[in-house]
Amino acid sequence: QSVLTQPPSASGTPGQRVTISCSGSSSNIGKYFVYWYLQVPGAAPRLLIYRNDQRPSGVSDRFSGSKSGTLASLAISGLRSEDEADYVCAAWDDNLRGPVFGGGTTVTVL
Amino acid sequence: LQLQESAPGPVKPSETLSLTCTVSGGSMNSGSYYWGWIRQTPGKGLEWLGSIHKDGNTFYNPSLKSRLTTSIDTSKNQFFMQLTSVTAADTAVYFCAFGISYSSYFYIDVWGKGTTVTVSS
Repeated sequence: QSVLTQPPSASGTPGQRVTISCSGSSSNIGKYFVYWYLQVPGAAPRLLIYRNDQRPSGVSDRFSGSKSGTLASLAISGLRSEDEADYVCAAWDDNLRGPVFGGGTTVTVL
Repeated sequence: LQLQESAPGPVKPSETLSLTCTVSGGSMNSGSYYWGWIRQTPGKGLEWLGSIHKDGNTFYNPSLKSRLTTSIDTSKNQFFMQLTSVTAADTAVYFCAFGISYSSYFYIDVWGKGTTVTVSS
């Protein structure tokens, strides 16, 4: 099982706002920045959010990240059909001394 | 920056899995970067295996440390992993990954597309 906990699925209609949670502990999310990746089957996972709430160049401002304590969230506003993908959270972990990941959340646009 | 994993041949139980990651669009000699490996299975999700710095320092997941070796050849823009004594549990999609140093840790910035490894007799 994954160290970070995410809901397996989330869905919304076009234009809606969808929020994905990522729960960790004091050894990872509670202490370090959270990173979010978008994963489409057959393609390389892509960095979506870094350092909790920063967007790399080229990432739409419809994507936003936040963190409070040991819980992080990714929000997708103005949901579009092309947002259908898996979203994975990650953080450094003191116990592993390496990055740990969530199990991923599959977003479906209804 | 782009990363491309090699496609391994058939791997049988107890054998050694060897993978190569070829880096393009950037130099492996610049910056404080970590070149690593991550795998993904339906049951366990994404699992970081290990990373290597350009100066040769290695960092391994303790669960694999005794079986995993990583190396780097900056002159060829490639880095490598070898996993010994594989079993069916090592069947996974293997990604190579580029990590950027930040404060006291590193985070994964760029991933390869992944290569499927099946361990079977």
